[in-house]
Amino acid sequence: EVQVLESGGGLEQPGGSQRLSCAASGFTFSSYAMSWVRQAPGKGLEWVSSISGSGNSTYYADSVRGRFTISRDNSKNTLYLQMNSLRVDDTAEYYCARGDFCSSGSCYVLGRMDVWGQGTTVTVSS
Amino acid sequence: SYELTQPPSVSVSPGQTARITCSGDALPKQYAYWYQQKPGQAPVLVIYKDTERPSGIPERFSGSSSGTTVTLTISGVQAEDEADYYCQSADSSGTIVFGTGTKVTVL
Repeated sequence: EVQVLESGGGLEQPGGSQRLSCAASGFTFSSYAMSWVRQAPGKGLEWVSSISGSGNSTYYADSVRGRFTISRDNSKNTLYLQMNSLRVDDTAEYYCARGDFCSSGSCYVLGRMDVWGQGTTVTVSS
Repeated sequence: SYELTQPPSVSVSPGQTARITCSGDALPKQYAYWYQQKPGQAPVLVIYKDTERPSGIPERFSGSSSGTTVTLTISGVQAEDEADYYCQSADSSGTIVFGTGTKVTVL
């Protein structure tokens, strides 16, 4: 079964750091772009960051650029989101999502998200 | 920053047709994607590349595109289609954007 499973959320103080993980299974992880999307309580979906299958290309929303870092370990089939300088408005449910298939020499990172995890909750509060 | 605009809500009776629009200046040049999200659940992709339907998605879901507007159509709406729907696209600077979201209520 194709699935992704997030972990690592919890309560953190403003200014603190947290690392989210997303374990993938059931597909060739290195062949797919991956993304993080968040949803604040009662609000809509907000794209956070995306990464190519190889990990060589990364993209960030303006709201997190310079504070968050997306990465992946293809040997462990795992996606990460390192979050530093956390703010109260980073409080949200964070979803990991599989993106488009990356063929040799071509990886469109800004397309569909067809497999989603159930999310992990990040709360930033003093 | 780039925005995708959706109506906040759409109400429809069972068996009728619901149409949800999404407007954005870059839509003529970028594909659109649509997601369904039910309360307490993760989003589900229902349309990709403007008009394509993933396997397992009912045929009553369809997408179309015209200029700066894309539309998700749900034909023969069922009670189980009550959910929030979001469009998604990208701009030329390498940014993914989600629409503002539309709550579909089945009367």
